[in-house]
Amino acid sequence: ETAVFQTPNYHVTQVGNEVSFNCKQTLGHDTMYWYKQDSKKLLKIMFSYNNKQLIVNETVPRRFSPQSSDKAHLNLRIKSVEPEDSAVYLCASSFKSSGNTLYFGEGSRLIVV
Amino acid sequence: QQKVQQSPESLIVPEGAMTSLNCTFSDSASQYFAWYRQHSGKAPKALMSIFSNGEKEEGRFTIHLNKASLHFSLHIRDSQPSDSALYLCAVSIHSGTYQRFGTGTKLQVVP
Repeated sequence: ETAVFQTPNYHVTQVGNEVSFNCKQTLGHDTMYWYKQDSKKLLKIMFSYNNKQLIVNETVPRRFSPQSSDKAHLNLRIKSVEPEDSAVYLCASSFKSSGNTLYFGEGSRLIVV
Repeated sequence: QQKVQQSPESLIVPEGAMTSLNCTFSDSASQYFAWYRQHSGKAPKALMSIFSNGEKEEGRFTIHLNKASLHFSLHIRDSQPSDSALYLCAVSIHSGTYQRFGTGTKLQVVP
């Protein structure tokens, strides 16, 4: 049963455009994440938010920025997309303090043309 | 930076066989180890996790951890076609930190 919801599922856009992906979790978790899954299926951490505070910010390009209004929502904005941004963006959530089991959304596939 | 590697890259096994998947990590301070399964076009879903050395069994799945060898594994007993998926191992330094994922093993179980 899905409890991490992502929109849109799929988005095609041109180089230089701005895109946003939305994520909401209904599990009551206190930490949310964005992972990028490339064409080789490799999952890389991008951002982590705990109680609206950024606690992990891997060396992602500055055109990427996470946005959170509360602990149940974590959005991802890409200011000016590049071809290498084509990937599936996976949102996840967990409890920070009681183990690390991640619950993922179905993903948002981005295609940059 | 922690490196997490999986082997083999892909695997084809007959239905009913035992499947063994491997994961190695580079940071000896790692404390949390997990396996996820991702069916095609779907979200990764947690299978099992372990904190301390040894084995843990849940149904047909067994996870084995050897911290000294920087290695843990997943064993699937009586593999089924529905087990066909991408298997991802994940490691974190301690509870509450993000997980680094391995390179993945694509498993196909043929009838």
